[in-house]
Amino acid sequence: GEDVEQSLFLSVREGDSSVINCTYTDSSSTYLYWYKQEPGAGLQLLTYIFSNMDMKQDQRLTVLLNKKDKHLSLRIADTQTGDSAIYFCAERKGGNNRLAFGKGNQVVVIP
Amino acid sequence: GAVVSQHPSRVICKSGTSVKIECRSLDFQATTMFWYRQFPKQSLMLMATSNEGSKATYEQGVEKDKFLINHASLTLSTLTVTSAHPEDSSFYICSPTWGYEAFFGQGTRLTVV
Repeated sequence: GEDVEQSLFLSVREGDSSVINCTYTDSSSTYLYWYKQEPGAGLQLLTYIFSNMDMKQDQRLTVLLNKKDKHLSLRIADTQTGDSAIYFCAERKGGNNRLAFGKGNQVVVIP
Repeated sequence: GAVVSQHPSRVICKSGTSVKIECRSLDFQATTMFWYRQFPKQSLMLMATSNEGSKATYEQGVEKDKFLINHASLTLSTLTVTSAHPEDSSFYICSPTWGYEAFFGQGTRLTVV
């Protein structure tokens, strides 16, 4: 089957930038998403990018998409302690808008 | 952003009983509802997909008679875990979608004792 892959753990100092990477295998995916999950909570949509875009910036968040390599990244500038969470990338697959999620990347921000 | 209400947020039930989880989209109409399950330190696994007024489509390995899904309206869907067992203990998350946007409920932590 097709998988969305993510690295598992990232530790970053407050104020630094953090970068989370994700690879996907379905070249027909139209939208790719980044979600944030805090402990015991649901998923919060952070941002998304359409497959015909290379980059999208939204305040402290920058999403880069390399469609040729099927690589997606999320950069968080000026990382804050409130950014500590698990981050999931997801791709939209198929005609019924279902999402396939990566395994998640836990980000721990050190004060 | 869209407002999704999922409740209860936590429930503890005895083995053999049934639990109903409710998911509402408060300010938009969800054409499709997805139900996910998440085990500790793992990603979300899609359980089923439902469209309003239609029977749900279940993923392989998910028992449709055990996880009953009702999607009676564009703003409300329910997941009922019937005859719950300890192995059903998990975090259940609903995801109502509209167009290309998928939103998520806050999740329900189910513990079966």
